[in-house]
Amino acid sequence: GQQVMQIPQYQHVQEGEDFTTYCNSSTTLSNIQWYKQRPGGHPVFLIQLVKSGEVKKQKRLTFQFGEAKKNSSLHITATQTTDVGTYFCAGADDYKLSFGAGTTVTVRA
Amino acid sequence: KAGVTQTPRYLIKTRGQQVTLSCSPISGHRSVSWYQQTPGQGLQFLFEYFSETQRNKGNFPGRFSGRQFSNSRSEMNVSTLELGDSALYLCASSRQGEGTNEKLFFGSGTQLSVL
Repeated sequence: GQQVMQIPQYQHVQEGEDFTTYCNSSTTLSNIQWYKQRPGGHPVFLIQLVKSGEVKKQKRLTFQFGEAKKNSSLHITATQTTDVGTYFCAGADDYKLSFGAGTTVTVRA
Repeated sequence: KAGVTQTPRYLIKTRGQQVTLSCSPISGHRSVSWYQQTPGQGLQFLFEYFSETQRNKGNFPGRFSGRQFSNSRSEMNVSTLELGDSALYLCASSRQGEGTNEKLFFGSGTQLSVL
């Protein structure tokens, strides 16, 4: 069955630095979604990527969908304390949405 | 528009008991999915209901069951609770559900502790 792997599991970032989290699927995806869960909160939808090679930006966040539609990345520039939380990717095939284990981000001020 | 509502927010049970969790989706959303979240394990898919029918199911034992009512509200039941069932149970709704190009709206979850 479909498996979605996400790395790294933890990311400790100095405030102001950049970082990237990666998501890889064992199968080709119809789309990929990214969610953010703040500490003590619930996952909140960030963005969806559908097209091969698609790149979308949300302020300091850049999301990319691979050409083969099997991998994706989230790059955050100039990390701020508001970026703290766990970022999940979720890959969709024809039948279901499978979440990665998430990347938990902590920020050193 | 009200968001996804889950009740209760916290629950403490003992081994062997059963529990029922409730989820009210966003008005107009017909799909409800349930996820189990434990530290380091991410979100594990339990099942998805659409128009009162279970459309997809994850790899959980039969002790985990659910249903959906005609008003799209959903309940999840866990029988014969085990210590390992302690987790945050999240419900998510969407208009049409899994496998479509739709985003999920999550509730705040029910934190279940099994003692």
